[in-house]
Amino acid sequence: DIQMTQSPSSVSASVGDRVTITCRASQGIGSWLAWYQQKPGRAPKLLIYTASNLLRGVPSRFSGSGSGTDFTLTINSLQPEDFATYYCQQATSFPLTFGGGTKVYIK
Amino acid sequence: EVQLVESGGGLVQPGGSLRLSCAASGVTLSRKDMHWVRQATGKGLEWVSAIGTAGDTYYAGSVKGRFTISRESANNSLYLQMNSLTSEDTAVYYCARAGLSSDSFDIWGQGTMVTVSS
Repeated sequence: DIQMTQSPSSVSASVGDRVTITCRASQGIGSWLAWYQQKPGRAPKLLIYTASNLLRGVPSRFSGSGSGTDFTLTINSLQPEDFATYYCQQATSFPLTFGGGTKVYIK
Repeated sequence: EVQLVESGGGLVQPGGSLRLSCAASGVTLSRKDMHWVRQATGKGLEWVSAIGTAGDTYYAGSVKGRFTISRESANNSLYLQMNSLTSEDTAVYYCARAGLSSDSFDIWGQGTMVTVSS
């Protein structure tokens, strides 16, 4: 199975900050990586697919980059609605696997 | 409006069975791969199972041989038959559609809670 390792597990930030979350795969996955946002008690929402493609309707302050084993989710100018938990997910082979999550707290 | 609605969760004893359903509106389930993903309380996301457009099925190792995914086009629904349940299966179960060019989940249901306890 492909292991997905996210870091940090949590980060505190202020409105307007830039936040960067990294995700590392245990083996190369090309660009087959997705990022999700989840708020308490809600289903996850897809933000980015195939590493860097922003889902329609997702604010442009979210961006994704990377390929192979190392990936990054960047949130520019953090907004109050962005405080949530973020997960990466590899989409290259079964079993599909998620990272452990990164919780973005209000500083 | 595109919507997935899960049902069928509840309290079941260890060793018992449960069948989850996922009803779709505004989208035809048979045209895309469909998945089940679960999340134990306070934990991360865990992929459970998938069914492709050709009916091919895939399972996580932790549920293989116990869970069965299926789809019924006539009522545009997805199912997950869960047998031999253990406390490790306690979680919120989400159905999700892989609607893009990759196995990423662009539409999710609201989830249904499964609790395995005596």
